[in-house]
Amino acid sequence: GAVVSQHPSRVICKSGTSVKIECRSLDFQATTMFWYRQFPKQSLMLMATSNEGSKATYEQGVEKDKFLINHASLTLSTLTVTSAHPEDSSFYICSASIARDYNEQFFGPGTRLTVL
Amino acid sequence: AQSVSQHNHHVILSEAASLELGCNYSYGGTVNLFWYVQYPGQHLQLLLKYFSGDPLVKGIKGFEAEFIKSKFSFNLRKPSVQWSDTAEYFCAVTQTGGGNKLTFGTGTQLKVEL
Repeated sequence: GAVVSQHPSRVICKSGTSVKIECRSLDFQATTMFWYRQFPKQSLMLMATSNEGSKATYEQGVEKDKFLINHASLTLSTLTVTSAHPEDSSFYICSASIARDYNEQFFGPGTRLTVL
Repeated sequence: AQSVSQHNHHVILSEAASLELGCNYSYGGTVNLFWYVQYPGQHLQLLLKYFSGDPLVKGIKGFEAEFIKSKFSFNLRKPSVQWSDTAEYFCAVTQTGGGNKLTFGTGTQLKVEL
């Protein structure tokens, strides 16, 4: 149980385009989802916390207009990278928290974004 | 702001050797502590966690960790590693009242040689 999926696993796009990444909790309801960014050889950096039905809370330094997060249901959150540029190329990982066990997060497999 | 330090960035061990990976955090309040593992090409998986109670926590695959509050440490141990333990290991912390936000350490790349 507690499986989180992400789609797509890899995406290559041209500079200036927007890319949407989906994060789904497959077998549980997630009241909270988190979006992380992982640079090569570095740790995961939290970008934002997303609660179902409300606006996401962004970490300091993360542009909310650049990284649009929607958490419309208890099983789906999306991250849209708008007007992507090469510096947005990274590995994006989502996680979901089971309502009954708030302190544990279950991670998706990640999405590799490459902006040309 | 809290931070998490993992002092060993790369560790190479032979099979059957013992493992200890260091993790220190910088928050003085009540914390919850985690170790995650990321096998090559796979997603992060929880190895073990500490919320309260016995400071010696046992996790999956023979791993354990000890919370030493006075040292702000949560070191990961395994008495005898296997080749299949080759992976990246991340220590992470949430602080009580911090909205369940995980702060990760920089990770330790473990390579186990046959």
